[in-house]
Amino acid sequence: AQKVTQAQTEISVVEKEDVTLDCVYETRDTTYYLFWYKQPPSGELVFLIRRNSFDEQNEISGRYSWNFQKSTSSFNFTITASQVVDSAVYFCALSEAWGATNKLIFGTGTLLAVQP
Amino acid sequence: DADVTQTPRNRITKTGKRIMLECSQTKGHDRMYWYRQDPGLGLQLIYYSFDVKDINKGEISDGYSVSRQAQAKFSLSLESAIPNQTALYFCATSQAGNTGELFFGEGSRLTVL
Repeated sequence: AQKVTQAQTEISVVEKEDVTLDCVYETRDTTYYLFWYKQPPSGELVFLIRRNSFDEQNEISGRYSWNFQKSTSSFNFTITASQVVDSAVYFCALSEAWGATNKLIFGTGTLLAVQP
Repeated sequence: DADVTQTPRNRITKTGKRIMLECSQTKGHDRMYWYRQDPGLGLQLIYYSFDVKDINKGEISDGYSVSRQAQAKFSLSLESAIPNQTALYFCATSQAGNTGELFFGEGSRLTVL
């Protein structure tokens, strides 16, 4: 069965600190997609990144970076020089690639609080 | 305007009442989904639809029903609301295919007293 685990329930950092949000997944599929979504206090879900299982290259987008390691079934998310606006709940999610459903399996989320 | 619109955004109701949450999209996607978010549980899939004639149960469909009135519209009903259905509900859409990316509405917060 597919499963996504975000062991960190809450993280609190001070502005300008770097922070890494962990995501560990389980799947028997050889082809799959991984996602990160951000949910700010306003409540909407904001797509951040999609990574397919064949692409293990790390990705950087401004202050955000993602480390995908198939060997450890992890897809961790790092925010460099955190800012108060980064305060949000962050969800990691997994989707089977070759199934017909496009269903996302979500982790339980990590609440990140960035203190000024 | 948002590509995926949910109404109402907030609703307070009483136990036993029938409630409908509506979702409409302008993205032209065939696939639509209803998710429920509870604190500490992430998002759980209630129902999903691949097209107007295709409706499927998700992980937590008990107590809910859906209707796909058109390609662009997918509504979620609670026939007899109960307090543990108090949650934040999200509608989402996706294109048919293998990428799995979902586009979410802004959420409907439902409180059942």
